[in-house]
Amino acid sequence: GAVVSQHPSWVICKSGTSVKIECRSLDFQATTMFWYRQFPKQSLMLMATSNEGSKATYEQGVEKDKFLINHASLTLSTLTVTSAHPEDSSFYICSARGAGSGASSYEQYFGPGTRLTVT
Amino acid sequence: GQNIDQPTEMTATEGAIVQINCTYQTSGFNGLFWYQQHAGEAPTFLSYNVLDGLEEKGRFSSFLSRSKGYSYLLLKELQMKDSASYLCAVRDRRTLTFGKGTMLLVSP
Repeated sequence: GAVVSQHPSWVICKSGTSVKIECRSLDFQATTMFWYRQFPKQSLMLMATSNEGSKATYEQGVEKDKFLINHASLTLSTLTVTSAHPEDSSFYICSARGAGSGASSYEQYFGPGTRLTVT
Repeated sequence: GQNIDQPTEMTATEGAIVQINCTYQTSGFNGLFWYQQHAGEAPTFLSYNVLDGLEEKGRFSSFLSRSKGYSYLLLKELQMKDSASYLCAVRDRRTLTFGKGTMLLVSP
């Protein structure tokens, strides 16, 4: 099946610094990538949707200037948390959807997630 | 928007059968997914339904009734490793929205 990787798997940073998380589709071209955030014992909340080569669409309540998303190629999207604060500590998960027909065009493949802790 | 409802927790015994229900309200329905998520890990795909009926895949089956806005995930021959959170997710024309998940605890 399709594989999505994320890097880093966990990161600890100081308040006020910026952190970049990478999401890569390893064996398929991802026309659309999604970024989710999950707080403990809560469901995944969609932050933004990005299509290759265009600006990301952010969900209501998500600050686009704080969470910078770049989808520069069909296999890579990045999320940069700028000026991170302790309340940004969360589990960030990306997922990717392919351009093909059949299951790959419907199914979203999830990365393993990135645990961000801001001290 | 979408409204997805599923039970918060369920318990079952190893070897038993359990059914996890999901009801939803959405405009522009474009498919329903079930995912399994172990603590601290990303969700893994279990099933996809876009037409009414039952989809069977090994020990797991998923059912959909679009007219009733209802789906269930059926897990047979439960194993200890099935203890996890099960997420119902509904796709409309634009996004995939997740329910809050059902935490299933399988006991010996």
